[in-house]
Amino acid sequence: EAGVVQSPRYKIIEKKQPVAFWCNPISGHNTLYWYLQNLGQGPELLIRYENEEAVDDSQLPKDRFSAERLKGVDSTLKIQPAELGDSAVYLCASSLGGGNTGELFFGEGSRLTVL
Amino acid sequence: QQQVKQSPQSLIVQKGGISIINCAYENTAFDYFPWYQQFPGKGPALLIAIRPDVSEKKEGRFTISFNKSAKQFSLHIMDSQPGDSATYFCAASINWGAQKLVFGQGTRLTINP
Repeated sequence: EAGVVQSPRYKIIEKKQPVAFWCNPISGHNTLYWYLQNLGQGPELLIRYENEEAVDDSQLPKDRFSAERLKGVDSTLKIQPAELGDSAVYLCASSLGGGNTGELFFGEGSRLTVL
Repeated sequence: QQQVKQSPQSLIVQKGGISIINCAYENTAFDYFPWYQQFPGKGPALLIAIRPDVSEKKEGRFTISFNKSAKQFSLHIMDSQPGDSATYFCAASINWGAQKLVFGQGTRLTINP
């Protein structure tokens, strides 16, 4: 069974440019997460979706970050405009959701470098 | 506000030795404590998890010890192998779920052959 798929794996952009990351979760996983991982730090939740509904976006910087999960499957995370401090790894994860136990399945991440 | 504090930041252990990583938490509502393992260029993957109704859980060479009164839990890796070299994250959440997992800052473990 395929795991969580993310693209692109690496992205280098100039500051003030837009960037978008795509995530395809494990089939059947209703819950999808976007995490931010700064160098040498643990993942920090940006947004959580239950199906197509964003149920927790309290940590998402909404002035420049946006996300969507159309049809409750794939998701896209966008940054516009990017700032130097956005350089990090953006991790997508999925889980079965509902009352299931808390195993998160992570993708390999999208590493963003803002110059 | 860091809800889960992890130590040490880095650890070097000889092959065959015991690796010990510690975590402390503040929120007494936490009731699910997983450990994730992350290799370079990969996403974290669940290694082992514990709930506070038990004080210890063992899976192969990996053991979680949990001290509810001290609000601490630790990961022990017995007979550490070079393949165990990775970054380890403790985490905690409420309602046994993944929905609000809070991660520690990570420990970079190196096992010398």
